[in-house]
Amino acid sequence: ETGVTQSPTHLIKTRGQQVTLRCSSQSGHNTVSWYQQALGQGPQFIFQYYREEENGRGNFPPRFSGLQFPNYSSELNVNALELDDSALYLCASSLSDRGNSPLHFGNGTRLTVT
Amino acid sequence: DAKTTQPNSMESNEEEPVHLPCNHSTISGTDYIHWYRQLPSQGPEYVIHGLTSNVNNRMASLAIAEDRKSSTLILHRATLRDAAVYYCILRDVRAQKLVFGQGTRLTINP
Repeated sequence: ETGVTQSPTHLIKTRGQQVTLRCSSQSGHNTVSWYQQALGQGPQFIFQYYREEENGRGNFPPRFSGLQFPNYSSELNVNALELDDSALYLCASSLSDRGNSPLHFGNGTRLTVT
Repeated sequence: DAKTTQPNSMESNEEEPVHLPCNHSTISGTDYIHWYRQLPSQGPEYVIHGLTSNVNNRMASLAIAEDRKSSTLILHRATLRDAAVYYCILRDVRAQKLVFGQGTRLTINP
């Protein structure tokens, strides 16, 4: 059984640019959520996709957007990058969007904005 | 918004039990309590979750207070591999919002 994989592992971008991060969910999982983790902090919930539709969102501006594909893989897009967007971006998949469904995390993409 | 409060750090000795507390006084009736742990340079790893009753699995036990305003993760015999940051989070029934606390950094002494 393949776990959650994220690509790329590291990325350096310039302020104002756009970035796309990718996540392949665990086999059989139809729900994907994304998190931003600044250094030394806990992960912050960005949004969640269930069967290709966003069904939950944290306190992040609209320049953070996403997609979920029919195979349940997902993308996180960030436009107009700011220096504060530098963080570890984590993706997690789960069997369903129910609260009793454990999350399975990837190892993240480390984004540096200069 | 419901949130969780955990001690910043705790220390224990190898082969001793560890009790990691979490306060969630604003928990709603449909929030599940989840625990995850994170090693350096890795994503969080699922440990255990529960709603009202105490739960046991091969990794740990979860004790939930009767009023559900607090919970305790119990590692029965700590090993050096249990050293990590432990997060207590609340996940609602539709999981439309998920709140991480700051986590507890657990140090295990040999």
